Amino acid sequence: AQKITQTQPGMFVQEKEAVTLDCTYDTSDQSYGLFWYKQPSSGEMIFLIYQGSYDEQNATEGRYSLNFQKARKSANLVISASQLGDSAMYFCAMREGYTGKLIFGQGTTLQVKP
Amino acid sequence: NAGVTQTPKFRILKIGQSMTLQCTQDMNHNYMYWYRQDPGMGLKLIYYSVGAGITDKGEVPNGYNVSRSTTEDFPLRLELAAPSQTSVYFCASSRPIWTTGAFFGQGTRLTVV
Repeated sequence: AQKITQTQPGMFVQEKEAVTLDCTYDTSDQSYGLFWYKQPSSGEMIFLIYQGSYDEQNATEGRYSLNFQKARKSANLVISASQLGDSAMYFCAMREGYTGKLIFGQGTTLQVKP
Repeated sequence: NAGVTQTPKFRILKIGQSMTLQCTQDMNHNYMYWYRQDPGMGLKLIYYSVGAGITDKGEVPNGYNVSRSTTEDFPLRLELAAPSQTSVYFCASSRPIWTTGAFFGQGTRLTVV
């Protein structure tokens, strides 16, 4: 069955440092997509980055990069040069290619310290 | 371009009442989703749809119903509301091309008392 696991309920990082948020997944599909979303305290869901299961290169979007290790079924988010505005909840998500079903992990709360 | 619009934004229901949460998107997206988010928790998939006339259960469908008669609309029906359904409900939509992710509505905060 399709499953997403985020094992870090909360993380702290010093401003300007890099931080890695962990995500592992499980699916029997060969075709799937992995996503990261940010949810600030205001509650909206902000799309950050996407990685396809057939993509050979790790995805990058500005200060965000996705460390995709397919054999280990992990899709960790790396945020470089953390900013105070990065403090938020972060969700990893997976979409199955066959069904289109999109499910989310439990989330990681990131707090950036000045 | 409005994106995904959810109504209402807030609602208080009494136990046993019913209501429909509305979701409309104007991006001609095939895929639509309903999630619930309990405080401090992740999003749980309630129902989803891959196109008009097609719906399927997600992770937590009990107590809810959906319909998808048009591409634009994906209403979520709560029958016989219970306190356990107190949550924030998000509707989302996406294209078959995934690279831009799913677009989310602003959410509906529902309290059942």
